[in-house]
Amino acid sequence: AQSVTQLDSQVPVFEEAPVELRCNYSSSVSVYLFWYVQYPNQGLQLLLKYLSGSTLVKGINGFEAEFNKSQTSFHLRKPSVHISDTAEYFCAVIFTGTASKLTFGTGTRLQVTL
Amino acid sequence: DAGVIQSPRHEVTEMGQEVTLRCKPISGHDYLFWYRQTMMRGLELLIYFNNNVPIDDSGMPEDRFSAKMPNASFSTLKIQPSEPRDSAVYFCASRSGALGGDTQYFGPGTRLTVL
Repeated sequence: AQSVTQLDSQVPVFEEAPVELRCNYSSSVSVYLFWYVQYPNQGLQLLLKYLSGSTLVKGINGFEAEFNKSQTSFHLRKPSVHISDTAEYFCAVIFTGTASKLTFGTGTRLQVTL
Repeated sequence: DAGVIQSPRHEVTEMGQEVTLRCKPISGHDYLFWYRQTMMRGLELLIYFNNNVPIDDSGMPEDRFSAKMPNASFSTLKIQPSEPRDSAVYFCASRSGALGGDTQYFGPGTRLTVL
């Protein structure tokens, strides 16, 4: 079955510390991978995406993610977080053959404190 | 560009009433998506259109839900009659290009509360 898993529902971290948000998927076909961020009472904004090519993808706001095909993972990282990074982060996948259907993970709440 | 525009931003209604949510996609985008976000089920795709034609409505929960796209700049999602379990945030998103990897741009959402 095709699925997307974000194991961590919440990740607390201190400001200026590094963070990794985990995303794994299950698929027998190739995929396109996305990370979206949702700030309170706002819509979703694309952070970065992987379609093909280099497995290390850099996005906005200093975030990056690495596609690992053997581990079917697409973890999101930032070397030093800010208070303003506090938000909900969603991993999403398009499984080829499913046309345009984005399948979202359940989200990870990143809480940055001083 | 103003981005994807949704109205209203908040809607409170009573069970049994008709609710209409509206979306204006980004100009030039030929794909439009409707999503629903709840605590229990997360983000779900309800339906999407390409060039104003519904392509996949398999996510529409039941016959009480309907969606239309009469032209390239306007879409509606209607719930009739509404029920308390329909309470959620409804997002509209649009995209240009035929590739699945093209970015979907989301609107700010409509928070629906059905009492």
